[in-house]
Parts: sequence; C-alpha cells; structure tokens
Amino acid sequence: QVNLLQSGAALVKPGASVKLSCKASGYTFTDYYIHWVKQSHGKSLEWIGYINPNSGYTNYNEKFKSKATLTVDKSTNTAYMELSRLTSEDSATYYCTRSVSAGGWFAYWGQGTLVTVSS
Amino acid sequence: DTVLTQSPALAVSPGERVTISCKASESVSTRMHWYQQKPGQQPKLLIYKASNLASGVPARFSGSGSGTDFTLTIDPVEADDTATYFCQQSWNGPRTFGGGTKLELK
Repeated sequence: QVNLLQSGAALVKPGASVKLSCKASGYTFTDYYIHWVKQSHGKSLEWIGYINPNSGYTNYNEKFKSKATLTVDKSTNTAYMELSRLTSEDSATYYCTRSVSAGGWFAYWGQGTLVTVSS
Repeated sequence: DTVLTQSPALAVSPGERVTISCKASESVSTRMHWYQQKPGQQPKLLIYKASNLASGVPARFSGSGSGTDFTLTIDPVEADDTATYFCQQSWNGPRTFGGGTKLELK
C-alpha cells in the first residue's frame, strides 16, 4: 500500500535551517510528483511546490522560492524539503503528498511534520 | 493566484443534506478537488476533477461544477462527517486551496 512517512517534529531556532524528509513506499517512486504543503496552526493549506523525482525538475510557489528547496534521493525513495532562515512565520505543519501529474490531485498524504521556530 | 472562497462554517443535523460551496476568482475548468480534514490528521481526498469520487469514499459524497462555481454535497450527513472541508484547484499557476468550511453536527 502507498505510504508517505515523514520525519518527526522539529524545534529549531530563528535564523536556522531545517531539512524535512518524506520516505515513499508501496509504489514506484519516480512515477509520481512529490508536493509539499504548509498548514499554519488552525489555518488553511498553502502549496509550496513540487519535484519530479525522475528528472529532479522543481516548480515552486513564488511565495516560497527563497524559503524552500526540494530534493530527492532516488536510492532511498526519499524526498526532502529544506527550509532556510526560519522565523516564527515558518512554524507550521508541513505535509508531503503525491500526484500522478503536475496538474493532478493529492490522493496520498504524509502524516505531517510539525516545525516549531523558537529560541 | 487563483483565490478560492468558501463559507467558514456550517451546522447541520445528522441525516440532512449539506452543500459546501467553493467559488474561484477565475475559471479552473474542472480542475477542482475536495478534501476532508479532521483535527490532528492529514487531509483526505474526497473528490477529484470536480465530480469524481476518490477510491474508498462513500457514495454519500458527491461533487459538481465547472468554471468558477463548485459544490461538494454530503447526503445524508453522518456524525463522522464532522470535519473541515477544503477545495483546491490545479488549473492555474500555483495550486491554491480554499480557506476551508468547518462542518459541525447539531
């Protein structure tokens, strides 16, 4: 069965960076795009961007272009998102999810990773 | 970016029919999808491409619409449907989500 297993909660200091992981199983990793979505506490969802694991091609929401960097490791079927220069505004739950195409819908989601930015 | 507008909250009684609306600031063709999210859980896909029921989702859920106006219908509503429902478009530029409609049962 398809599973997207995300890394555990992170507590990071302002100004630091954090790298989140999303390990895929139950399907061919390179056949689906991996997207990342932000959900601030009690609020709606924001799309950060996607990566094509086969080619490494990335597409970012302009809002997150200088904040997030998406990568993959095909040898371990794992997608990563690095968030840089963290501020309190980056405190949120981050989800990875997959779609069959760039314009597709999100049928499978990871369980989410809570990032808390605090000194 | 395409803005999706949803009513913030609805309250219905079990057994009733409820419609949740989503209005797009520009046409998204039929590239509108619906998700259910319960507290502490990840979103769950209900409907894709406006009217297609996702795998494993009860037939009580249905979707309709095209262009700028979309509707998610639950008929009949059950107690377990208490959740927040989000619409999401994948037609124009960055994917965007609606603000969510919180469904409460009376």
